[in-house]
Amino acid sequence: DIQMTQSPSSISASVGDTVAITCRASQGINNWLSWFQQKPGKAPKSLIYETSRLQNGVPSRFSGNGSETDFTLIISSLQPEDFATYYCQQYSNYPLTFGGGTKVDIK
Amino acid sequence: HLVQSGPEMKKPGASVTVSCKAFGYTFPHYDINWVRQAPGQGLEWMGWMNPNSGRTGSAQKFQGRLIMTRDASTNTAYMELTNLSPDDTAFYFCARDSRDTPFDPWGQGTLVTVSS
Repeated sequence: DIQMTQSPSSISASVGDTVAITCRASQGINNWLSWFQQKPGKAPKSLIYETSRLQNGVPSRFSGNGSETDFTLIISSLQPEDFATYYCQQYSNYPLTFGGGTKVDIK
Repeated sequence: HLVQSGPEMKKPGASVTVSCKAFGYTFPHYDINWVRQAPGQGLEWMGWMNPNSGRTGSAQKFQGRLIMTRDASTNTAYMELTNLSPDDTAFYFCARDSRDTPFDPWGQGTLVTVSS
């Protein structure tokens, strides 16, 4: 199975900050990587797929980059609604696997 | 969007079935994936189903216990998990999937509690 390692596990940030979350795959996954946002008590929401493609309706302050094993989610100018937990997921190989999550909370 | 059935409470050894009804798109055209999340924990992929063919695939840890089916006449996917244990207590989510729009959207989640 492909292991997905996210870091950091938590970030404290302020509104207006730029934050970066990294995700490392245990083997190459080409660009088959997605990012999800989850708020307490809610289902995950897809933000980015294929490393850098934004889902419809996702604000442009979210961006993704990377390739093969190393990927980054960047949130520019954090907004109050962005405080949540973020997960990466590889869909290159079965079983699909998720990172452990990164909680972004208010400093 | 996807609408899931309500919360369930089961005893160890029992089975549970969660439904996921699709609205607003052509049901056979997109796979359905199932993901679970134990309280306070991360996301765990369980398996997928192609509603057109009925083909399924699942994570090895669920093989033999996870049954995914569909009813095309009602645009509904079903996930049955058998021989439940307390470790199966979790929120269970369905998600629509394709290469163009992977895992989008998700159902609202169904809490399954397993306790004696």
